[in-house]
This record gives sequence, C-alpha cells and structure tokens, in this order.
Amino acid sequence: GDSVTQMEGPVTLSEEAFLTINCTYTATGYPSLFWYVQYPGEGLQLLLKATKADDKGSNKGFEATYRKETTSFHLEKGSVQVSDSAVYFCALTANTGGFKTIFGAGTRLFVKA
Amino acid sequence: GAVVSQHPSRVICKSGTSVKIECRSLDFQATTMFWYRQFPKQSLMLMATSNEGSKATYEQGVEKDKFLINHASLTLSTLTVTSAHPEDSSFYICSATKSGGAGELFFGEGSRLTVL
Repeated sequence: GDSVTQMEGPVTLSEEAFLTINCTYTATGYPSLFWYVQYPGEGLQLLLKATKADDKGSNKGFEATYRKETTSFHLEKGSVQVSDSAVYFCALTANTGGFKTIFGAGTRLFVKA
Repeated sequence: GAVVSQHPSRVICKSGTSVKIECRSLDFQATTMFWYRQFPKQSLMLMATSNEGSKATYEQGVEKDKFLINHASLTLSTLTVTSAHPEDSSFYICSATKSGGAGELFFGEGSRLTVL
C-alpha cells in the first residue's frame, strides 16, 4: 500500500540555520504531495503542496520539490526562525475513487534563539 | 478561504458519559470529512471517513458503535464518543476536502478529550 517516510526528530536548530526535513513516499499512480504544519496545541494547517512531478511548492520561505525519480518531497528553508518551531507532517493524497491521505510520522522542529 | 471549525476545543467528562464533537466547514461545502485521532507526539490516525447523507466508513480497528459519526449536512459532521473511558482520552481532529481541489485537507482546531 501507499506510505510516507520522513526523518525522525526532534530536529534542533539555531535561528537562521538551514533546514531540511527528508520525506520519501511509495505510491501506485500519481499522488499529490503535501507538507502540513502543527503548531503547539493547534490543529494542522497546509504549508505547501505539489500535484505533479517537478512541481515546487512554496510558502512562508519553505520549499519542496516533487521528485518522481527519487520518490521524494524534502522540505527546506534557508533561514529558520523561532516561530517555525512546530511538528511538520509530510503526506500524500491519492485519488482512488475518493481522496485518501497518508501521513508520515511527523518531525518535531525546535528552533533556539 | 477554506475554514473548518471544531467545537469544543477542550472537554473533560466522567467515565461512562458520552461526548459530542462538532466539525463545521464555514465557507465551503464539504461532501467528505475525515476524523483523526492523535496520540501524544505521534502522527494522525484516520478513524473514519464521513460522507454527507450516508454512513461513515470506519478504518480497521475503530469501533463504530463506540465512535458514532453523523454527517447530516454539507457543512456539519459530528463525532460522538459513547460511554467514554480514560483510554479514549486523546486529541481528536476533523478535516475536510473541497471539491475540485487536489485533495488537500483543511483541518479543524482539534478537540482535546479528557475522560476522568
């Protein structure tokens, strides 16, 4: 079945450091790929998405590129801020007669001032 | 926009009582809503898919008589935890998709249930 694997956390960085959170997937067909973010005590919100190969999603300084050849969707940000501290979930959605979303385990990011 | 509102955000109840959680799509019609459960420091576990006007589809291992889901309108789905016990304490999150989208989910704020 479809699955999403993302790097285990927690990841601890200093402010202004470069961030990479790795995400790989297995899927039949051509899923859409997403990154969701969950701030402490809150529900999840969409951070960015890509719907086909080579698409780059971006938002709030974060970027991820849909790489079909490596089945990856790594999240990057050039300079993190304390306010980026959160849990990040990589996910894929396949349309198999109805949308079904598979989530990765989540990666907790701590950014120190 | 695509706003999903969930209520209540926190609820504490006694063991054996039932608790209802509401999930509303405020500015769009959601033919499908999803209910998730999240344990501390863990990912989301899909409990069920709720389709307007029909019975919910439950994931394997989720007791349908324990977690009653009703999707009576295009903007409202409810989850009722019946005869709650302490092991039902958790963070419950609903989400919805918009028709014509790429399947991105719009989430409610989550409801933290504590059963004493």
